[in-house]
Amino acid sequence: DAGVTQSPTHLIKTRGQQVTLRCSPKSGHDTVSWYQQALGQGPQFIFQYYEEEERQRGNFPDRFSGHQFPNYSSELNVNALLLGDSALYLCASSSISIRDRGTGNTIYFGEGSWLTVV
Amino acid sequence: AQSVTQLGSHVSVSEGALVLLRCNYSSSVPPYLFWYVQYPNQGLQLLLKYTSAATLVKGINGFEAEFKKSETSFHLTKPSAHMSDAAEYFCAVSLLFSGGYQKVTFGTGTKLQVIP
Repeated sequence: DAGVTQSPTHLIKTRGQQVTLRCSPKSGHDTVSWYQQALGQGPQFIFQYYEEEERQRGNFPDRFSGHQFPNYSSELNVNALLLGDSALYLCASSSISIRDRGTGNTIYFGEGSWLTVV
Repeated sequence: AQSVTQLGSHVSVSEGALVLLRCNYSSSVPPYLFWYVQYPNQGLQLLLKYTSAATLVKGINGFEAEFKKSETSFHLTKPSAHMSDAAEYFCAVSLLFSGGYQKVTFGTGTKLQVIP
């Protein structure tokens, strides 16, 4: 059973460019969340997708956008990259299922995508 | 609103000594609480979670945490530290919205150093 997989693992971009990060959730999971983890900090919630729609959003500008596909995989897009966007981007998957509802859906994380903006 | 405060960004213990990592939370509703561990250059791995079933929660690798509502705390402990426990540990609180969606807020993390 594959866990959460992310690609690419590392990438370098130039200021002003655009980047797309990809995530496949754990088998059986239908919800994908994205987090940004800057060096020395805890992960910060970007947004969450369920049924191909953005359901929750953290305090991130519109330069950050996403998409969820019918197979539950997801993409995170960042436009007009800034130096401050350099971080580890973590994808997390969970299941809004009857089994876990009300008990704190367990969230599983991928290994992350390291983005360096130069 | 919900938040998590982890006391001590760095903690050092000797191998075999007790590990205590502190976490205090703030939540307007009964919280769901988690501890995650992050090894260098890796993602987050779930250590344990509190979901109101029991106040003392046992996790993987010998870790456990106790939920104390009166102190709004969820401290992580391990009786005897092992060199492989050196990592960064994150406490997190989850808020569930109607429909099952949840937003997880993380603390700033505590780096655990284990001294031989």
